[in-house]
Amino acid sequence: NAGVIQTPRHKVTGKGQEATLWCEPISGHSAVFWYRQTIVQGLEFLTYFRNQAPIDDSGMPKERFSAQMPNQSHSTLKIQSTQPQDSAVYLCASSLDWGSQNTLYFGAGTRLSVL
Amino acid sequence: GDSVTQTEGLVTLTEGLPVMLNCTYQSTYSPFLFWYVQHLNEAPKLLLKSFTDNKRPEHQGFHATLHKSSSSFHLQKSSAQLSDSALYYCALSDRCSNNRIFFGDGTQLVVKP
Repeated sequence: NAGVIQTPRHKVTGKGQEATLWCEPISGHSAVFWYRQTIVQGLEFLTYFRNQAPIDDSGMPKERFSAQMPNQSHSTLKIQSTQPQDSAVYLCASSLDWGSQNTLYFGAGTRLSVL
Repeated sequence: GDSVTQTEGLVTLTEGLPVMLNCTYQSTYSPFLFWYVQHLNEAPKLLLKSFTDNKRPEHQGFHATLHKSSSSFHLQKSSAQLSDSALYYCALSDRCSNNRIFFGDGTQLVVKP
C-alpha cells in the first residue's frame, strides 16, 4: 500500500498562472479530503468527496478554486489566477468510509509557491 | 457550529517531564475526537481517537480522555521524549456536519534535553 500519493511535491507558479494539484487516494477508500496548511492558519478544510461525489466545498474560495474527482483513483485541485496568498502546502487525505470515526490518511502534500 | 480550540500554540518542556496538551470542543451532536501528530517535513498522521464506549485510547505512551461534561479531550503523556517534538492537532467529527473533520489550530511541542 503506497498510501495517498500527491503530485507534484513542489510547484512554483507566477502570479496569475494556473496550478493543478493531483491526488491519488488509497485504493478502496471512499472519501477524499483536501486541506490547505499554512503556519498562520494551520489546517484549513477546503472540500471533500464521497464516492466521487462532492459533499462539502464550504472551505473553497469560490472564485478561483475548483476540485474534481473524475474517478475513484484520483482527484484534482485547480487554482486559477494564482495569487501570493495561495502559497501553502496543500494536503490530500482519504478515509476508508464516510463515518465520523474514520481515520484520515494524509499524503505528503504539494508545496505551492506563488511568486 | 462545530469547532475545536487548542489554547497553546507552543509548549516547551524538558525531557522526562509530563506532557499535557489542551483541547476543548464545541459540537451540536455526539462527536468523535482525534489527535493527529505531524513531525517535521512529514504528513499528519493519527495518534489516537476517542471510543464510543468511553474507553481511554492510548498510543505510544500518549492517552486522552473524552470528558463530555467539560467538552474536553486533552492529550497526556507521563514522560516526554525528544522524539515527541512535533505539531499536534486536535480534531472533531460528527454526523451533523456531514462527517467533516474540524481541526484545531495545532500545538507545537518542543522537548529539550
